[in-house]
Amino acid sequence: DAGITQSPRYKITETGRQVTLMCHQTWSHSYMFWYRQDLGHGLRLIYYSAAADITDKGEVPDGYVVSRSKTENFPLTLESATRSQTSVYFCASSEIPAGGPGSYNEQFFGPGTRLTVL
Amino acid sequence: SQQGEEDPQALSIQEGENATMNCSYKTSINNLQWYRQNSGRGLVHLILIRSNEREKHSGRLRVTLDTSKKSSSLLITASRAADTASYFCATLTGTASKLTFGTGTRLQVTL
Repeated sequence: DAGITQSPRYKITETGRQVTLMCHQTWSHSYMFWYRQDLGHGLRLIYYSAAADITDKGEVPDGYVVSRSKTENFPLTLESATRSQTSVYFCASSEIPAGGPGSYNEQFFGPGTRLTVL
Repeated sequence: SQQGEEDPQALSIQEGENATMNCSYKTSINNLQWYRQNSGRGLVHLILIRSNEREKHSGRLRVTLDTSKKSSSLLITASRAADTASYFCATLTGTASKLTFGTGTRLQVTL
């Protein structure tokens, strides 16, 4: 199926464990993003990627690692999970704007992963 | 830091009424976008307005932008129960394709 998918949809883990959240898109979009959504904070950008092998930090990158070896995949790893990383995580993708960076970039969101760290 | 702040945080109206949500932001923008999020779902893009535009329409949606006041409003006319959702504004600044989201307005439309 075309679109953007995330797995798992729900995950419960313990403090200190490593967790990887997967994101896969079938549109060959250049840009991919990871956000976390918490009550009172809206969506906050964790990391983003402009293309394969190009990643950059967002607003809240500490405690997270990303990679982008293939255009369609953008996994997010919590190397040592903490309770403060309990959140809903959303992956998104977008095309390179036709008018150049900054001109237009509707983002397409996955369904989210609800992560609980005990 | 949060770029956009929506107002009100929550809004409850009856079906058929209009719903207005406001967004204020802090820095100069390239464009401003509105997204909808149904409970338990990802965000869906609704409408985009560029910094040189003042008003835009899409179906029952009307968006205005006042760059001098650094604010935008989203009007949903003739609301329906299916419009019940959270609505977020998001701003694009600079040359990167990063969006900065506000905290959202929760809209409840009752029959």
